[in-house]
Amino acid sequence: NAGVTQTPKFRVLKTGQSMTLLCAQDMNHEYMYWYRQDPGMGLRLIHYSVGEGTTAKGEVPDGYNVSRLKKQNFLLGLESAAPSQTSVYFCASSYKGGATGELFFGEGSRLTVL
Amino acid sequence: GEDVEQSLFLSVREGDSSVINCTYTDSSSTYLYWYKQEPGAGLQLLTYIFSNMDMKQDQRLTVLLNKKDKHLSLRIADTQTGDSAIYFCAVSTDKLIFGTGTRLQVFP
Repeated sequence: NAGVTQTPKFRVLKTGQSMTLLCAQDMNHEYMYWYRQDPGMGLRLIHYSVGEGTTAKGEVPDGYNVSRLKKQNFLLGLESAAPSQTSVYFCASSYKGGATGELFFGEGSRLTVL
Repeated sequence: GEDVEQSLFLSVREGDSSVINCTYTDSSSTYLYWYKQEPGAGLQLLTYIFSNMDMKQDQRLTVLLNKKDKHLSLRIADTQTGDSAIYFCAVSTDKLIFGTGTRLQVFP
């Protein structure tokens, strides 16, 4: 019963470094999402994907890139990390998108940029 | 775009009822959700309501929807310490938009 798995769970970066967060789901879901969670701001959608090979921008896409080369994986990349990207990142997946899909979340990845 | 607002904190005594409120701006939302986030974990779906319903009850949970006022609430009866968590409402248009979350603290 793995569900949605995120790696790594914790990471500390220096400003300007790059890194990739990996999200894997074993539920054969079409839709996958990356959110960031900041105090007092709830969850904000960074990028999402409606199927293998597709990606789309969410509310706060600047400074991030994503790829969905395989249906089960959704990667979030930071090319040049900034302190403003210090946050907790959540990946989620759903069978259906948008209005009717229940989202299943990973446990989160805490990123600190110094 | 859609705006979803919640109060940040709520503190209740164990055994009392908790009411968590949410307001939203887009009247075309078709589904409205409540998610729960326990410490160090991701969000889990608690319950949801269709926009053509006024109320939904699920054991200790009651969801009320006032479409005219664009107001959604979650009532937890007989609140327990295990209910301490952050509760997010979320509304759907073409994507799911989350509120800011309400941290519920239950004290003995």
